Amino acid sequence: EAQVTQNPRYLITVTGKKLTVTCSQNMNHEYMSWYRQDPGLGLRQIYYSMNVEVTDKGDVPEGYKVSRKEKRNFPLILESPSPNQTSLYFCASRSDRPGANVLTFGAGSRLTVL
Amino acid sequence: GDSVTQMEGPVTLSEEAFLTINCTYTATGYPSLFWYVQYPGEGLQLLLKATKADDKGSNKGFEATYRKETTSFHLEKGSVQVSDSAVYFCAPQWNSGGSNYKLTFGKGTLLTVNP
Repeated sequence: EAQVTQNPRYLITVTGKKLTVTCSQNMNHEYMSWYRQDPGLGLRQIYYSMNVEVTDKGDVPEGYKVSRKEKRNFPLILESPSPNQTSLYFCASRSDRPGANVLTFGAGSRLTVL
Repeated sequence: GDSVTQMEGPVTLSEEAFLTINCTYTATGYPSLFWYVQYPGEGLQLLLKATKADDKGSNKGFEATYRKETTSFHLEKGSVQVSDSAVYFCAPQWNSGGSNYKLTFGKGTLLTVNP
């Protein structure tokens, strides 16, 4: 089944404790992206990647890092989490083929930073 | 810059009622237009899309028409069901060059349909 898989789905952590949210897709998509969803703010893009070793900042990149060493994986790293990073996070991917520019989303990772 | 304005919710309807969720965008070009839906506890998924002026996207009884003159892409359904309860996101997508597409999401509209 074609899908985007995120882990963990739920996580409670404390301020300053480094964490990584993994994202993997099995569709050979070139493009991958991370979003956060907050009440009243919709989805905001954190980082995106056009292909392996190519990443760029989205609208709200502060406090986050990403890497794209392999095509299928795009982990989101919070080096020193803070309470304002408590949110619902979504990873998404899409193909670069013409006409195939529809995002496939993961099921989400709910993060709470105490 | 490019932006999208979506009708704020929440919207509560009875089953079989008519639904409209308004969406307008400001743009320096002609984006492709998408509606995504998020069912409770799930990620977003594509509901429908339209790629050029006057195109109508449709799926699961929902429709939206690309109106270039009013820069709008309103979502409609003639008779909603309880299973349509979800959050709906309007999302214009602009081509920034080559294969670089910028998707901007509206803030989402929560729809609750009561039996």
